[in-house]
Amino acid sequence: GDSVTQMEGPVTLSEEAFLTINCTYTATGYPSLFWYVQYPGEGLQLLLKATKADDKGSNKGFEATYRKETTSFHLEKGSVQVSDSAVYFCAPRSGNTPLVFGKGTRLSVIA
Amino acid sequence: EPEVTQTPSHQVTQMGQEVILRCVPISNHLYFYWYRQILGQKVEFLVSFYNNEISEKSEIFDDQFSVERPDGSNFTLKIRSTKLEDSAMYFCASSGGQDNEKLFFGSGTQLSVL
Repeated sequence: GDSVTQMEGPVTLSEEAFLTINCTYTATGYPSLFWYVQYPGEGLQLLLKATKADDKGSNKGFEATYRKETTSFHLEKGSVQVSDSAVYFCAPRSGNTPLVFGKGTRLSVIA
Repeated sequence: EPEVTQTPSHQVTQMGQEVILRCVPISNHLYFYWYRQILGQKVEFLVSFYNNEISEKSEIFDDQFSVERPDGSNFTLKIRSTKLEDSAMYFCASSGGQDNEKLFFGSGTQLSVL
Protein backbone atom coordinates (compact mmCIF):
# COMPACT_ATOMS: atom_id res chain seq x y z
CA GLY A 1 0.00 0.00 0.00
CA ASP A 2 0.88 3.65 -0.09
CA SER A 3 3.16 5.11 2.57
CA VAL A 4 4.81 8.41 3.35
CA THR A 5 7.90 9.62 5.19
CA GLN A 6 8.02 13.15 6.52
CA MET A 7 10.81 14.97 8.26
CA GLU A 8 10.58 14.79 12.01
CA GLY A 9 9.55 17.87 13.85
CA PRO A 10 9.15 20.07 15.62
CA VAL A 11 10.42 22.77 13.30
CA THR A 12 10.87 26.18 14.89
CA LEU A 13 11.42 29.21 12.68
CA SER A 14 11.45 32.94 13.07
CA GLU A 15 8.87 34.98 11.23
CA GLU A 16 9.75 35.60 7.56
CA ALA A 17 12.13 32.63 7.45
CA PHE A 18 12.08 30.15 4.57
CA LEU A 19 10.32 26.86 5.21
CA THR A 20 10.92 23.43 3.74
CA ILE A 21 9.21 20.31 5.02
CA ASN A 22 10.42 17.20 3.24
CA CYS A 23 8.08 14.43 2.15
CA THR A 24 8.79 11.26 0.22
CA TYR A 25 6.25 8.62 -0.65
CA THR A 26 5.89 5.10 -1.90
CA ALA A 27 2.83 4.13 -3.90
CA THR A 28 1.63 1.81 -6.58
CA GLY A 29 1.04 3.54 -9.86
CA TYR A 30 0.71 7.29 -9.98
CA PRO A 31 -0.90 8.68 -6.87
CA SER A 32 -2.28 12.13 -6.29
CA LEU A 33 -0.32 13.94 -3.60
CA PHE A 34 -1.71 16.13 -0.86
CA TRP A 35 -0.60 18.39 1.96
CA TYR A 36 -3.05 18.77 4.80
CA VAL A 37 -2.68 21.20 7.70
CA GLN A 38 -4.04 21.02 11.23
CA TYR A 39 -4.26 24.28 13.12
CA PRO A 40 -4.51 24.11 16.92
CA GLY A 41 -7.87 22.77 18.06
CA GLU A 42 -9.11 22.08 14.53
CA GLY A 43 -9.40 19.16 12.16
CA LEU A 44 -7.17 18.53 9.19
CA GLN A 45 -7.84 20.65 6.14
CA LEU A 46 -6.50 20.44 2.63
CA LEU A 47 -3.69 22.89 1.97
CA LEU A 48 -2.73 21.96 -1.58
CA LYS A 49 -2.55 19.04 -3.96
CA ALA A 50 -0.95 17.85 -7.20
CA THR A 51 -2.32 15.10 -9.37
CA LYS A 52 0.47 14.31 -11.83
CA ALA A 53 4.22 14.51 -12.28
CA ASP A 54 5.71 18.02 -12.40
CA ASP A 55 2.45 19.61 -11.24
CA LYS A 56 2.88 22.32 -8.66
CA GLY A 57 0.24 22.77 -6.00
CA SER A 58 0.03 26.13 -4.27
CA ASN A 59 -2.10 27.87 -1.68
CA LYS A 60 -1.61 30.60 0.94
CA GLY A 61 2.00 31.12 -0.19
CA PHE A 62 2.84 27.42 0.20
CA GLU A 63 4.04 25.39 -2.77
CA ALA A 64 4.91 21.77 -3.47
CA THR A 65 5.99 20.13 -6.73
CA TYR A 66 5.21 16.52 -7.64
CA ARG A 67 8.61 14.96 -8.36
CA LYS A 68 8.10 11.48 -9.76
CA GLU A 69 11.79 10.78 -10.27
CA THR A 70 12.56 11.33 -6.58
CA THR A 71 9.08 10.33 -5.29
CA SER A 72 8.97 13.57 -3.33
CA PHE A 73 6.49 16.34 -2.63
CA HIS A 74 8.35 18.81 -0.43
CA LEU A 75 6.41 21.72 1.03
CA GLU A 76 7.94 25.19 0.81
CA LYS A 77 7.08 28.72 1.78
CA GLY A 78 9.27 31.72 1.21
CA SER A 79 8.30 33.73 4.29
CA VAL A 80 6.44 32.10 7.17
CA GLN A 81 4.12 33.91 9.56
CA VAL A 82 3.14 33.18 13.13
CA SER A 83 -0.29 32.16 11.83
CA ASP A 84 1.37 29.29 9.90
CA SER A 85 2.09 27.50 13.18
CA ALA A 86 0.37 24.14 12.78
CA VAL A 87 0.97 20.47 12.07
CA TYR A 88 1.51 19.61 8.39
CA PHE A 89 0.70 16.22 6.89
CA CYS A 90 1.82 14.85 3.55
CA ALA A 91 -0.39 12.14 2.04
CA PRO A 92 -0.43 10.13 -1.20
CA ARG A 93 -3.63 8.71 -2.58
CA SER A 94 -3.92 6.10 -5.31
CA GLY A 95 -7.32 5.98 -6.98
CA ASN A 96 -10.10 5.68 -4.42
CA THR A 97 -7.91 4.17 -1.72
CA PRO A 98 -7.88 5.97 1.62
CA LEU A 99 -5.49 8.80 2.28
CA VAL A 100 -2.37 7.57 4.08
CA PHE A 101 -0.90 10.03 6.55
CA GLY A 102 2.38 10.12 8.38
CA LYS A 103 3.01 11.54 11.85
CA GLY A 104 2.94 15.08 10.59
CA THR A 105 5.48 17.82 11.12
CA ARG A 106 4.80 20.43 13.77
CA LEU A 107 5.82 23.94 12.76
CA SER A 108 6.20 26.71 15.31
CA VAL A 109 6.84 30.23 14.03
CA ILE A 110 8.00 32.79 16.55
CA ALA A 111 7.74 36.54 16.17
CA GLU B 1 -17.26 26.85 3.82
CA PRO B 2 -19.32 23.78 4.84
CA GLU B 3 -18.09 21.86 7.87
CA VAL B 4 -18.01 18.37 9.25
CA THR B 5 -19.27 18.39 12.82
CA GLN B 6 -18.20 15.92 15.50
CA THR B 7 -19.64 15.37 18.95
CA PRO B 8 -18.63 15.19 21.70
CA SER B 9 -15.31 17.00 21.56
CA HIS B 10 -14.11 15.01 24.57
CA GLN B 11 -15.29 11.64 25.83
CA VAL B 12 -14.06 9.89 28.95
CA THR B 13 -15.08 6.30 29.52
CA GLN B 14 -14.18 3.29 31.62
CA MET B 15 -12.44 0.32 30.08
CA GLY B 16 -14.97 -2.20 28.79
CA GLN B 17 -17.70 0.36 28.20
CA GLU B 18 -19.29 1.05 24.85
CA VAL B 19 -18.87 4.46 23.24
CA ILE B 20 -20.49 6.04 20.23
CA LEU B 21 -18.75 8.88 18.46
CA ARG B 22 -20.97 11.02 16.31
CA CYS B 23 -20.35 12.90 13.11
CA VAL B 24 -22.46 15.00 10.77
CA PRO B 25 -20.78 14.98 7.35
CA ILE B 26 -21.30 17.65 4.74
CA SER B 27 -24.79 17.26 3.39
CA ASN B 28 -24.13 16.46 -0.28
CA HIS B 29 -21.13 14.20 0.36
CA LEU B 30 -21.32 10.49 -0.32
CA TYR B 31 -18.05 9.13 1.07
CA PHE B 32 -17.40 8.99 4.80
CA TYR B 33 -14.32 8.08 6.79
CA TRP B 34 -13.02 7.59 10.29
CA TYR B 35 -9.38 8.15 11.19
CA ARG B 36 -7.67 8.17 14.56
CA GLN B 37 -4.49 9.63 15.99
CA ILE B 38 -2.92 8.24 19.13
CA LEU B 39 -0.95 10.95 20.90
CA GLY B 40 2.40 11.50 19.23
CA GLN B 41 1.73 9.01 16.46
CA LYS B 42 0.52 9.18 12.89
CA VAL B 43 -3.03 9.70 11.70
CA GLU B 44 -4.33 6.20 10.96
CA PHE B 45 -7.12 5.20 8.62
CA LEU B 46 -9.88 3.11 10.21
CA VAL B 47 -12.73 2.76 7.74
CA SER B 48 -14.43 4.25 4.70
CA PHE B 49 -18.15 4.07 3.98
CA TYR B 50 -20.07 4.53 0.76
CA ASN B 51 -23.56 3.69 -0.38
CA ASN B 52 -24.53 2.47 3.08
CA GLU B 53 -21.77 -0.04 3.41
CA ILE B 54 -18.12 -0.28 4.37
CA SER B 55 -15.97 0.15 1.28
CA GLU B 56 -12.59 -0.34 2.95
CA LYS B 57 -11.25 -0.93 6.44
CA SER B 58 -7.86 -1.22 8.05
CA GLU B 59 -6.60 -3.99 10.31
CA ILE B 60 -7.27 -1.70 13.27
CA PHE B 61 -10.99 -1.85 12.52
CA ASP B 62 -11.72 -5.18 14.15
CA ASP B 63 -14.95 -6.67 15.48
CA GLN B 64 -15.00 -4.18 18.35
CA PHE B 65 -15.65 -1.37 15.89
CA SER B 66 -18.73 -0.67 13.81
CA VAL B 67 -20.05 2.23 11.78
CA GLU B 68 -23.54 3.25 10.95
CA ARG B 69 -25.42 5.90 9.08
CA PRO B 70 -28.66 5.73 11.05
CA ASP B 71 -30.39 8.55 9.17
CA GLY B 72 -29.65 10.92 6.32
CA SER B 73 -27.29 13.12 8.27
CA ASN B 74 -25.38 11.26 10.98
CA PHE B 75 -22.41 8.92 10.69
CA THR B 76 -21.38 7.11 13.86
CA LEU B 77 -18.45 5.05 15.07
CA LYS B 78 -19.17 2.58 17.85
CA ILE B 79 -16.56 0.86 19.97
CA ARG B 80 -18.25 -2.02 21.79
CA SER B 81 -15.85 -2.68 24.64
CA THR B 82 -13.21 -0.02 24.94
CA LYS B 83 -9.60 -0.79 25.78
CA LEU B 84 -6.94 1.51 27.16
CA GLU B 85 -5.21 1.52 23.78
CA ASP B 86 -8.34 2.95 22.13
CA SER B 87 -7.51 6.29 23.73
CA ALA B 88 -6.92 8.63 20.81
CA MET B 89 -8.29 11.54 18.83
CA TYR B 90 -10.88 10.26 16.38
CA PHE B 91 -11.49 12.21 13.20
CA CYS B 92 -14.47 11.91 10.92
CA ALA B 93 -14.15 13.04 7.29
CA SER B 94 -16.33 13.20 4.22
CA SER B 95 -15.82 13.77 0.52
CA GLY B 96 -17.95 14.11 -2.59
CA GLY B 97 -19.51 16.83 -4.62
CA GLN B 98 -17.37 18.50 -7.25
CA ASP B 99 -13.97 17.47 -5.86
CA ASN B 100 -14.19 13.93 -4.62
CA GLU B 101 -10.47 13.80 -3.83
CA LYS B 102 -10.70 16.52 -1.17
CA LEU B 103 -11.52 15.24 2.29
CA PHE B 104 -13.18 17.55 4.79
CA PHE B 105 -12.33 16.69 8.39
CA GLY B 106 -14.12 17.40 11.62
CA SER B 107 -12.32 18.80 14.67
CA GLY B 108 -12.14 15.39 16.26
CA THR B 109 -13.32 13.65 19.40
CA GLN B 110 -10.68 13.07 22.06
CA LEU B 111 -11.46 9.68 23.59
CA SER B 112 -9.87 8.82 26.93
CA VAL B 113 -10.29 5.28 28.23
CA LEU B 114 -9.51 4.88 31.92
